[in-house]
Amino acid sequence: KAGVTQTPRYLIKTRGQQVTLSCSPISGHRSVSWYQQTPGQGLQFLFEYFSETQRNKGNFPGRFSGRQFSNSRSEMNVSTLELGDSALYLCASSDALNTGELFFGEGSRLTVL
Amino acid sequence: QQQVKQSPQSLIVQKGGISIINCAYENTAFDYFPWYQQFPGKGPALLIAIRPDVSEKKEGRFTISFNKSAKQFSLHIMDSQPGDSATYFCAAKKDSSYKLIFGSGTRLLVRP
Repeated sequence: KAGVTQTPRYLIKTRGQQVTLSCSPISGHRSVSWYQQTPGQGLQFLFEYFSETQRNKGNFPGRFSGRQFSNSRSEMNVSTLELGDSALYLCASSDALNTGELFFGEGSRLTVL
Repeated sequence: QQQVKQSPQSLIVQKGGISIINCAYENTAFDYFPWYQQFPGKGPALLIAIRPDVSEKKEGRFTISFNKSAKQFSLHIMDSQPGDSATYFCAAKKDSSYKLIFGSGTRLLVRP
């Protein structure tokens, strides 16, 4: 079974631009969640989707948004990029609440100049 | 109440020694406590997890000890190996959610 696939793996943007990151979950997994990882703040929850519905959202400004498609693939978007948005963005998928296990992708490393 | 506090920030252990990482939580609604291992350039990978109805869980060289009354849990790595050198994160969540609250991480270095 293929793991969680995130694209692109690396990208460089400038302040004020926007970015879209993509995540393909493990086949059969219907839940996708996103996390931001930075040296200063660690791993922070962004949002969670299940069957195309956002079920939970972390404490991030409205510039951060996401969506999930009918095939469970997910995208997240960050608009009006700021220097502080430089981070590793991780996507995780899961197949059932009762197992609790989240499978993470290798992340998309965003650098904002 | 949403925080998970992790210590130490970094840890150096000799090969064959025991590595111990501690975490504490406040939210008594948490009912799933996983540990993740992350190597540079990789995403976190689930190592071992425990639920509050047991006090200890062992998988190979990795053991979680859980103290529900103290709201603390810890990871013990027995016979630590250089290949265990990585960053370890504890986390917690409610069963009804996929939202993980992570600790700040512990960078483990196992010296040969």
